[in-house]
Amino acid sequence: GEDVEQSLFLSVREGDSSVINCTYTDSSSTYLYWYKQEPGAGLQLLTYIFSNMDMKQDQRLTVLLNKKDKHLSLRIADTQTGDSAIYFCAESITGRRALTFGSGTRLQVQP
Amino acid sequence: DAGITQSPRHKVTETGTPVTLRCHQTENHRYMYWYRQDPGHGLRLIHYSYGVKDTDKGEVSDGYSVSRSKTEDFLLTLESATSSQTSVYFCAISAGGDNEQFFGPGTRLTVL
Repeated sequence: GEDVEQSLFLSVREGDSSVINCTYTDSSSTYLYWYKQEPGAGLQLLTYIFSNMDMKQDQRLTVLLNKKDKHLSLRIADTQTGDSAIYFCAESITGRRALTFGSGTRLQVQP
Repeated sequence: DAGITQSPRHKVTETGTPVTLRCHQTENHRYMYWYRQDPGHGLRLIHYSYGVKDTDKGEVSDGYSVSRSKTEDFLLTLESATSSQTSVYFCAISAGGDNEQFFGPGTRLTVL
């Protein structure tokens, strides 16, 4: 199957950490991506992880991959109001011609 | 930002009229995609292209056609627009089918 699933909504307070979760079903994925979409804008690539890695850190962002459970997470440290957006995870599979996107998680950061 | 533009950025049209949306890239990427984004449905792939004159259907292709006569341009046509096609349309490009995609700014289409 090709389902990529995410929870719809997450609310955190400014300064806290946010964790956005994603599950996927295809074990032959090569890369997993996180995109951010701000209101009225297109999707912006935030970070990605190769499927043979289990963690990647990029400044305030930490991506964790649990291949056994097919679970991907994005942790945002010290969440700011500017992080309020919709976050999409996406999966790529060798030989396929398109990514499979989750439905997006809306992150709301309260001051 | 990747060199992707979409035109028009906003359009209001009436049911039954033809509409063409244009995506233009300056990156010389092989793959181009059209998505629609609707509340509760996330991103849904309409059509994509893997080269000049090479296109294929996505999951929601009914009512849409595409053309790619040049590497840099990918056109999405609604032959006879319906209210259910009111949506935000995004174009994306990619160097390969399993590579990251880069998105355009979107076109907001309203069909009355």
